[in-house]
Amino acid sequence: EAGVAQSPRYKIIEKRQSVAFWCNPISGHATLYWYQQILGQGPKLLIQFQNNGVVDDSQLPKDRFSAERLKGVDSTLKIQPAKLEDSAVYLCASTDPGALVPNTEAFFGQGTRLTVV
Amino acid sequence: AQRVTQPEKLLSVFKGAPVELKCNYSYSGSPELFWYVQYSRQRLQLLLRHISRESIKGFTADLNKGETSFHLKKPFAQEEDSAMYYCALSRFRDDKIIFGKGTRLHILP
Repeated sequence: EAGVAQSPRYKIIEKRQSVAFWCNPISGHATLYWYQQILGQGPKLLIQFQNNGVVDDSQLPKDRFSAERLKGVDSTLKIQPAKLEDSAVYLCASTDPGALVPNTEAFFGQGTRLTVV
Repeated sequence: AQRVTQPEKLLSVFKGAPVELKCNYSYSGSPELFWYVQYSRQRLQLLLRHISRESIKGFTADLNKGETSFHLKKPFAQEEDSAMYYCALSRFRDDKIIFGKGTRLHILP
């Protein structure tokens, strides 16, 4: 099966500019996650969708970050305006909560490496 | 609040020596525990989960609810085991997945 697709792979922007990332999960996966991974740290959950509804966005800096999954399939994550500390790898993952094995594995995309200068 | 702690940022082990990557968690409910691995230039992927009770690439991990630990072990390290290892916790009720900060395993020749 095709994996989780993310684009772009790399992005360099100046601070105060805006940027958007795109994610297409594995077909049929209802749950989609966006993680931020700063260099040397583990993935930090930003937002979790179940179909097109938000399950958890408690760690999302809502003054500058937004995310949507309008049709319950692909998703976009936006940062506006970007700050230097937003430099990180943004990972998208999906799971199939309807699978026979409960809480099955998360499948990750390659990530988008964002550099804010 | 739930938390996953990996106390070692870097672990260097000689080839053929035993490996143990430590993971402790805090969660009041019944979590599912995972180990994820990221090899150089590859995406993050599942290595094993406690519910499967299986050995993958020679690695095993036992969930100790009394000590709230889920340490990853391998009796004889191989050079291809060099990678970043992340311990993760998932909540049954909403599938929220939380990661530790990771441990870089470096296998010395």
